[in-house]
Amino acid sequence: QQPVQSPQAVILREGEDAVINCSSSKALYSVHWYRQKHGEAPVFLMILLKGGEQKGHEKISASFNEKKQQSSLYLTASQLSYSGTYFCGTGSNFGNEKLTFGTGTRLTIIP
Amino acid sequence: EPEVTQTPSHQVTQMGQEVILRCVPISNHLYFYWYRQILGQKVEFLVSFYNNEISEKSEIFDDQFSVERPDGSNFTLKIRSTKLEDSAMYFCASRVGGLQETQYFGPGTRLLVL
Repeated sequence: QQPVQSPQAVILREGEDAVINCSSSKALYSVHWYRQKHGEAPVFLMILLKGGEQKGHEKISASFNEKKQQSSLYLTASQLSYSGTYFCGTGSNFGNEKLTFGTGTRLTIIP
Repeated sequence: EPEVTQTPSHQVTQMGQEVILRCVPISNHLYFYWYRQILGQKVEFLVSFYNNEISEKSEIFDDQFSVERPDGSNFTLKIRSTKLEDSAMYFCASRVGGLQETQYFGPGTRLLVL
């Protein structure tokens, strides 16, 4: 089953913060976050492995709660360049690790 | 920085025709994938390939689809007889392997079946 993302869409003013959630009904091995701009390929942001890990990448960070089988992506002091659709991809197999993507969260940053 | 490349960037074909989409994964990567994305929808897994064989495929990946790594660098997806519903963006991805490695996506091939 595909992970469920929330919210489906969000509009922010530049400088505001956002949280995007990704929940799965299956046990997770890893969560991969990507950002996709219209007409382009998904671009990797970060990977989190099971263990309640938190990671950061500039003003974007994420957490992974293995017990709740969910991950959250935090965007702080958002910039115009953060606009796009954010997908979480969940991996549940060690080895080949195909990714099952959520439905995406469309983030629009306005000046 | 190494990248996954894909050709062509766009392909228009008639229903029933065969198409071959090509990918050059990052050179030291061991795992290869094809995904597709129908316009406005999420990215869907098609197939994974490792050690010169398919390791997993989705229900989408039926007998009309095949993958091949004909040489040491290319990775191809063939659709034998295209249908209208095959119209989508097709992404190739590769991964080096290992616990903390993710998949890197190519720029995609937009396939339009008329």
